[in-house]
Amino acid sequence: KQEVTQIPAALSVPEGENLVLNCSFTDSAIYNLQWFRQDPGKGLTSLLLIQSSQREQTSGRLNASLDKSSGRSTLYIAASQPGDSATYLCAVRGGAGSYQLTFGKGTKLSVIP
Amino acid sequence: EPEVTQTPSHQVTQMGQEVILRCVPISNHLYFYWYRQILGQKVEFLVSFYNNEISEKSEIFDDQFSVERPDGSNFTLKIRSTKLEDSAMYFCATQAGIGELFFGEGSRLTVL
Repeated sequence: KQEVTQIPAALSVPEGENLVLNCSFTDSAIYNLQWFRQDPGKGLTSLLLIQSSQREQTSGRLNASLDKSSGRSTLYIAASQPGDSATYLCAVRGGAGSYQLTFGKGTKLSVIP
Repeated sequence: EPEVTQTPSHQVTQMGQEVILRCVPISNHLYFYWYRQILGQKVEFLVSFYNNEISEKSEIFDDQFSVERPDGSNFTLKIRSTKLEDSAMYFCATQAGIGELFFGEGSRLTVL
């Protein structure tokens, strides 16, 4: 069974700092990995998708990397802003015989003005 | 920008009642999914649907659950006889091919 772990569970940083969120998964036979943002009581907003053949993807201040062989991904947020405060979810597609997304529990980010 | 639309946003029901949650997918998407998130827990896969049939389902998706796309647009999740432990946020997600999944805002189900 694919397991996804996100560290840390919560993170509080002052505005303007760069930060890294970590995601690890147990089965490296994945098709892709997707990072989402979730605001309280809301749905999931897709941030970045990395295919298994890719090493990284960038969108604005966000950069996600993937090391499939070691079962790790990072989400780098540059120059954090209070509006970045949310829970960030990592999800992998595939592994352990399933084609579906398996989610981590998320990292709750607070950016302090 | 195209989006996945879910209704109702919140439903309160009595244990044992039937509930239907509805989703309008993004128009050119062919793959449809239901996920759920119990408060404070991970988002969990329930079922995937393609070409008018279930392509994969999880252990959670037992005989109490069913899905259909009755009119070619709406994609529905039915829970036949709700239990307290069915209380959760239910998310519909859709996908064009093998790329990104796009999620709706969710339907919060509260079973009393």
